[in-house]
Amino acid sequence: GAGVSQSPRYKVAKRGQDVALRCDPISGHVSLFWYQQALGQGPEFLTYFQNEAQLDKSGLPSDRFFAERPEGSVSTLKIQRTQQEDSAVYLCASSLAGDTQYFGPGTRLTVL
Amino acid sequence: DQQVKQNSPSLSVQEGRISILNCDYTNSMFDYFLWYKKYPAEGPTFLISISSIKDKNEDGRFTVFLNKSAKHLSLHIVPSQPGDSAVYFCAAIPSGGYNKLIFGAGTRLAVHP
Repeated sequence: GAGVSQSPRYKVAKRGQDVALRCDPISGHVSLFWYQQALGQGPEFLTYFQNEAQLDKSGLPSDRFFAERPEGSVSTLKIQRTQQEDSAVYLCASSLAGDTQYFGPGTRLTVL
Repeated sequence: DQQVKQNSPSLSVQEGRISILNCDYTNSMFDYFLWYKKYPAEGPTFLISISSIKDKNEDGRFTVFLNKSAKHLSLHIVPSQPGDSAVYFCAAIPSGGYNKLIFGAGTRLAVHP
C-alpha cells in the first residue's frame, strides 16, 4: 500500500516568505508527527497530532511555525516569514496507534 | 543537551564482517530504544527495537544489545552487506506519552567489498 507522502520534495524560499509543507499519512493512521532535521543532525521532534487534535507542539521553534490537521488525515506545516535557520529537511511520520512510526521522504527547505 | 548520542559519525566495514554501531543515552526514563536506517533522499525506515526491560533483541542479521547500567546500546549487523550502507539513527521513546522519538545524530555506515 501507499506509504507516507510529502510535498513538495524540495522548496526554495526567499527570506521572509511564507511556506506550506504538506503530509499525507498512511490511510487510517491516527498518530502524526513532524520532525525537523538539520544538516548532519538527527531528526528533532516538532509537533504531534492524534487525529485532528494537536496534543503536543512543544518542539516548534518559534511562533512562526504552525501545524494543522483539520480532518484528522492530511497535515500542513506552515512557516511564516522564513529565516535562514529554518533551512532543513522536514519529515512527517505516521503510526497506527502509537506503534512503529513510518516516515515520509521529507521536504528539503532552503531559505536564501 | 543531547539525550541520545552517537559519537561515531562514520564507520567503514568490509563485506561479510560484523558492523557494530553504538549509542549512549543520558535519560533513565526511556521505555524503548529503536534503530532507524536512512538512505539518501528517503525518510528513515524502522529496523529493530528493544524494550528497556530486555537486554537483547535479534531479527535476522540484526541484533540490538542494551546495557542499562552503562546507558548504552549497540546494533550488530552480521554479516554486513553492501546494501547495508546507509545512515543509522539510534532513537529513544520517553516513558509515558505517545511515542515521540528522540534521535541521535546518526552514524554513516559504509560496507565495502
